[in-house]
Amino acid sequence: GNSVTQMQGQVTLSEEEFLFINCTYSTTGYPTLFWYVQYPGEGPQLLLKVTTANNKGSSRGFEATYDKGTTSFHLQKASVQESDSAVYYCVLGEGYAQGLTFGLGTRVSVFP
Amino acid sequence: GPKVLQIPSHQIIDMGQMVTLNCDPVSNHLYFYWYKQILGQQMEFLVNFYNGKVMEKSKLFKDQFSVERPDGSYFTLKIQPTALEDSAVYFCASSLRGVNQDTQYFGPGTRLLVL
Repeated sequence: GNSVTQMQGQVTLSEEEFLFINCTYSTTGYPTLFWYVQYPGEGPQLLLKVTTANNKGSSRGFEATYDKGTTSFHLQKASVQESDSAVYYCVLGEGYAQGLTFGLGTRVSVFP
Repeated sequence: GPKVLQIPSHQIIDMGQMVTLNCDPVSNHLYFYWYKQILGQQMEFLVNFYNGKVMEKSKLFKDQFSVERPDGSYFTLKIQPTALEDSAVYFCASSLRGVNQDTQYFGPGTRLLVL
């Protein structure tokens, strides 16, 4: 079956620092890869997505590159703000009407 | 952006009782999903639903679980009877299409505690 691995449970940064969250995935198909972000008291919301047709996605200063060779989909942002504090999920979608496969999530805390 | 609502936000129930979790999906969406997240663990897919039928369910979707959306009203997840291991946050999601590129929009979750 499909799987997604996020090894970093927590990342703590100061404002304007560089954020990098590692994500690797395993699948036998041709997935779409997503990063979802979850703020306290809310459900996950889409941050960005990348399909097999393109390799890179970006949104709100965040970027992620889909690397089929290393099966990785890392998320990065050059300069974080306190408002970026949230839980970030690497997510895999594959097939018709299939459920999404979530990573464990990375809690990002940004301090002024 | 599009909003998915879930009612109630919290529910405490005694083991063995029935519980119904309600979801108000995005108005023009056609595909509906339930996910389960136990504290500290991964969010896991339970079931999806389209055109009045279950399309796919995971091994977590036990016989005690059922879903329906009568007459375009709430999309519901019913657990009967509940067990201690059903304690979790349940997230509803909806999407316009079923293809893997389509964005699923999530509600804020219902926190279920089974005593």
